[in-house]
Amino acid sequence: SAVISQKPSRDICQRGTSLTIQCQVDSQVTMMFWYRQQPGQSLTLIATANQGSEATYESGFVIDKFPISRPNLTFSTLTVSNMSPEDSSIYLCSVDSGKNYGYTFGSGTRLTVV
Amino acid sequence: AQTVTQSQPEMSVQEAETVTLSCTYDTSENNYYLFWYKQPPSRQMILVIRQEAYKQQNATENRFSVNFQKAAKSFSLKISDSQLGDTAMYFCAFMKLAGGGNKLTFGTGTQLKVEL
Repeated sequence: SAVISQKPSRDICQRGTSLTIQCQVDSQVTMMFWYRQQPGQSLTLIATANQGSEATYESGFVIDKFPISRPNLTFSTLTVSNMSPEDSSIYLCSVDSGKNYGYTFGSGTRLTVV
Repeated sequence: AQTVTQSQPEMSVQEAETVTLSCTYDTSENNYYLFWYKQPPSRQMILVIRQEAYKQQNATENRFSVNFQKAAKSFSLKISDSQLGDTAMYFCAFMKLAGGGNKLTFGTGTQLKVEL
């Protein structure tokens, strides 16, 4: 299955700043997914990133707040912009590993906004 | 829209015993996949087991097995011979196949603690 390298693993940021999270996959994948996991909560899909097109955002998430890049089939970034303490969460990227829909996740980025 | 419900926020089991985690879902779809993921304190999401809705046979992976009841929209996970390393948050997830964009919908999770 695909192996994902996600970084940073954690960060503490000042409110009003932005953080860019990177995910590198060891194989080419069509779709990459970005999830948010708020403290003690389940995973919520932020957006789906396809190479060569705009990301598709879920209800409640907007491009200005969570811009996504997908420059090629192995890499994607998620930026959390103009951060507030409410953005403190774990952010995870995910890809379809290709083996009959077995999704692989990155190790997550634990973001704390102070 | 699909919803996934896990009604047990926390469970505990003695080492070597068997435990069952519950999951129900609501969908009008006929073709879909169901998953159980494990998230230990390291926060890495690990796929435990997968079930295709068109298959009547319950999926098994070593000590992990599911009881898939399509009509009842139930998808429980049974862990046999529980080990300390099974301590984790377990999430049930749903994915529809047609026009779903391959998106996963997760339940709220069950925190499982395996005790000595």
